[in-house]
Amino acid sequence: AQSVTQLDSQVPVFEEAPVELRCNYSSSVSVYLFWYVQYPNQGLQLLLKYLSGSTLVKGINGFEAEFNKSQTSFHLRKPSVHISDTAEYFCAVSEGGGSYIPTFGRGTSLIVHP
Amino acid sequence: GAVVSQHPSRVICKSGTSVKIECRSLDFQATTMFWYRQFPKQSLMLMATSNEGSKATYEQGVEKDKFLINHASLTLSTLTVTSAHPEDSSFYICSARDPRGTNEKLFFGSGTQLSVL
Repeated sequence: AQSVTQLDSQVPVFEEAPVELRCNYSSSVSVYLFWYVQYPNQGLQLLLKYLSGSTLVKGINGFEAEFNKSQTSFHLRKPSVHISDTAEYFCAVSEGGGSYIPTFGRGTSLIVHP
Repeated sequence: GAVVSQHPSRVICKSGTSVKIECRSLDFQATTMFWYRQFPKQSLMLMATSNEGSKATYEQGVEKDKFLINHASLTLSTLTVTSAHPEDSSFYICSARDPRGTNEKLFFGSGTQLSVL
């Protein structure tokens, strides 16, 4: 079984500052990793995913994440945030080559201040 | 992109009543849909996997008689919370797998906030 830990429940940051949202996972098998974003009153939207290949993954809205197998991490980064990035961010993991049913972290609330 | 519609977005009901939540895939046929429950400040917890034309597969600890799932067509799955109690109050989210393309693509509804008085 796999699990996901998002250490930060809330991350406040000023507009145009860089941000990193942390995600660590545990699994006994190879994994696929995902970041989803949830804007208020909306469904979850896929930001980016790692399935295989390059460990640096670029997603939508200028976000990127790096898969680090030795540290079992998949941190999400953006060099310069906007007010519109204020949302809930979920890290998720699923078994590689399996059913693709993700296990979610508890979420990190990114709050961008002007 | 693919769209999943979930309705209602918010429902308030009295204890003992039943509530039905609908999840529709609008532009694709979803043979598999998933139902999640989310408590405040916590993860989305998978409740069950809904397969069109067959019985749902429930996760351990989820009462199948309490949370009835019906996936009668390729575009509609419903979750009925029967005899709701205050402890059932939660945010429920559905997702559907788009069979076009690769298997890891999941699309999520906007969720339903259930409040049981």
